[in-house]
Amino acid sequence: SQWGEENLQALSIQEGEDVTMNCSYKTYTTVVHWYRQDSGRGPALIILIRSNEREKRSGRLRATLDTSSQSSSLSITAAQCEDTAVYFCATDQGSALGRLHFGAGTQLIVIP
Amino acid sequence: NAGVIQTPRHKVTGKGQEATLWCEPISGHSAVFWYRQTIVQGLEFLTYFRNQAPIDDSGMPKERFSAQMPNQSHSTLKIQSTQPQDSAVYLCASSPGGGANTGQLYFGEGSKLTVL
Repeated sequence: SQWGEENLQALSIQEGEDVTMNCSYKTYTTVVHWYRQDSGRGPALIILIRSNEREKRSGRLRATLDTSSQSSSLSITAAQCEDTAVYFCATDQGSALGRLHFGAGTQLIVIP
Repeated sequence: NAGVIQTPRHKVTGKGQEATLWCEPISGHSAVFWYRQTIVQGLEFLTYFRNQAPIDDSGMPKERFSAQMPNQSHSTLKIQSTQPQDSAVYLCASSPGGGANTGQLYFGEGSKLTVL
């Protein structure tokens, strides 16, 4: 299996809190993508981090990548209700133009 | 840019019937991917095309499922003799190719297939 975590995880936090979601993978990747999926919609890329980067920021999002432990994290600072969604990490198993392999995802619920 | 367009958004079929799902990729994108999403299995890769040619269909069930890309503006996923276990959201995605492409996938909103 590609993933350390096999099942959809669920997190529930209060608005304004910080949250971190983790992802571990078992096969080399050139990049880790993080997607969010809103109910009834397709996943949409929110941030990606390449294998030669340790950290990437975009607004309230921060992604980290540790290639030695084959793990990545996505943090959201001061979560808002509109951050409620399912978040997936995805890897390319070394093929930058091929398919992506998605983890099980984390259901994040931000409570007002 | 209209994004990836998938039709129909919802389809209900009886067991044993055929279902055809359509996808229009973003204009200029050279790769088209099909994924299936269920609560239990999550996002499962099915198949993908690059420049209309089938590249990898390793995720496709060997029987009853087929995909085509007859031209650069649309792809179809056909399921013959549908079974209740085929019930899922079928997602199409496209991706630009070459150069500094990151491999980012642009997904459509999905076609929800329900087999009764």
